[in-house]
Amino acid sequence: EIVLTQSPGTLSLSPGDRATLSCRASQTVDSSFLAWFQQKPGQPPRMLIYGATGKVTGIPDRFRGSGSGTDFTLTITRLEPEDSAVYYCQQFRSSPPEYTFGQGTKVEIK
Amino acid sequence: DVQLVQSGAEVKKPGESLRISCEASGHIYSNYWINWVRQLPGKGLEWMGRINPGNSYTDYNPSFEGHVIFATDTSINGAYLQWSSLKASDTAVYYCASQSFGSWGQGTLVTVSS
Repeated sequence: EIVLTQSPGTLSLSPGDRATLSCRASQTVDSSFLAWFQQKPGQPPRMLIYGATGKVTGIPDRFRGSGSGTDFTLTITRLEPEDSAVYYCQQFRSSPPEYTFGQGTKVEIK
Repeated sequence: DVQLVQSGAEVKKPGESLRISCEASGHIYSNYWINWVRQLPGKGLEWMGRINPGNSYTDYNPSFEGHVIFATDTSINGAYLQWSSLKASDTAVYYCASQSFGSWGQGTLVTVSS
């Protein structure tokens, strides 16, 4: 099983700040299958980024994914109050079929 | 896009059986997967596995295999998540998600308590 470790556990930032969220894999991940999700309380997760860098239609430009191999990053520039949420990274490996999620990073807006 | 609608919240006793559903509509291809994801109270996301309603092929996360069953229903273009004997530790929100996780159901809260 590929383990995804996200850091930090919690980010407490102010509106307008930049947030940098890390996702480190225990083995090399195919970048084509690395995604980021946002989850707000009481809601299902929403995909933000696919293929490590591709942005889902309708996601604001301030969200950017980067990375390869075992280290991936979600950057949120110019934080807005509605960005307060838990963010998860996810990977897929095809043999055997396996999806895993990181444990999540909580972003708090002061 | 695929839209996924799940069945409503359930309250069960330990040892009881349960089946929850996930109905798909919209742009559904003939060969697609529906994923199941568990979220324990206050915790993160766990992939339970997936089923292909077109051919009933399944992939289970080893952590869940043997405790849950994935089933399909072609009449609703959807899937079921089934338990034959619930435990208190099954209390969670269960989500279905489309093949690429681009679409999610609203979640089904399952509460197991004596």
